[in-house]
Amino acid sequence: GQSLEQPSEVTAVEGAIVQINCTYQTSGFYGLSWYQQHDGGAPTFLSYNGLDGLEETGRFSSFLSRSDSYGYLLLQELQMKDSASYFCAVNTGGFKTIFGAGTRLFVKA
Amino acid sequence: DVKVTQSSRYLVKRTGEKVFLECVQDMDHENMFWYRQDPGLGLRLIYFSYDVKMKEKGDIPEGYSVSREKKERFSLILESASTNQTSMYLCASWPGQQGKKYGYTFGSGTRLTVV
Repeated sequence: GQSLEQPSEVTAVEGAIVQINCTYQTSGFYGLSWYQQHDGGAPTFLSYNGLDGLEETGRFSSFLSRSDSYGYLLLQELQMKDSASYFCAVNTGGFKTIFGAGTRLFVKA
Repeated sequence: DVKVTQSSRYLVKRTGEKVFLECVQDMDHENMFWYRQDPGLGLRLIYFSYDVKMKEKGDIPEGYSVSREKKERFSLILESASTNQTSMYLCASWPGQQGKKYGYTFGSGTRLTVV
């Protein structure tokens, strides 16, 4: 079967750095994406990695290692508004994207 | 920015009713999707459409059908609603592989309760 594994919950302090890991086992791989979803809101696209390495977008970075079937989302200078759920997603080819179950991030003051 | 609009934010329907969930996008994307989101299960693909009148089953199509008569509109139909279809339904739009760096754009969701 196909699966994406990510931690269910992570807690961090305001101003700190947090890393959310994602390991995947899929029949095809055409890229790893990350989405953020606040309670009651729609998932919003954060980043995409098609090749190995680090992609940086402001306070957020995302990393991919295709040989390890692994990626992570790194959030720096955490703010209270970063409290949300974060989903990794793998495009398995064509129109198919599989989503992880999500990691709930709690940012404490 | 792409906007994806879902017609209802909250719906309450009775078991056995036929339910229509509507989704409209305004950026001329070929690809549209319907997902359901349940706690601990992430987003699961119900159906998708890659062109007008074209549709493909996702991972959990049972009990659902879809309609895409116009490029901007993708409808999800619950033929006979059941309580196990109580969920958050999310519509998404995507430009395709040429826009893969931009990800999906989701609507705000419809929280459906079947009683």
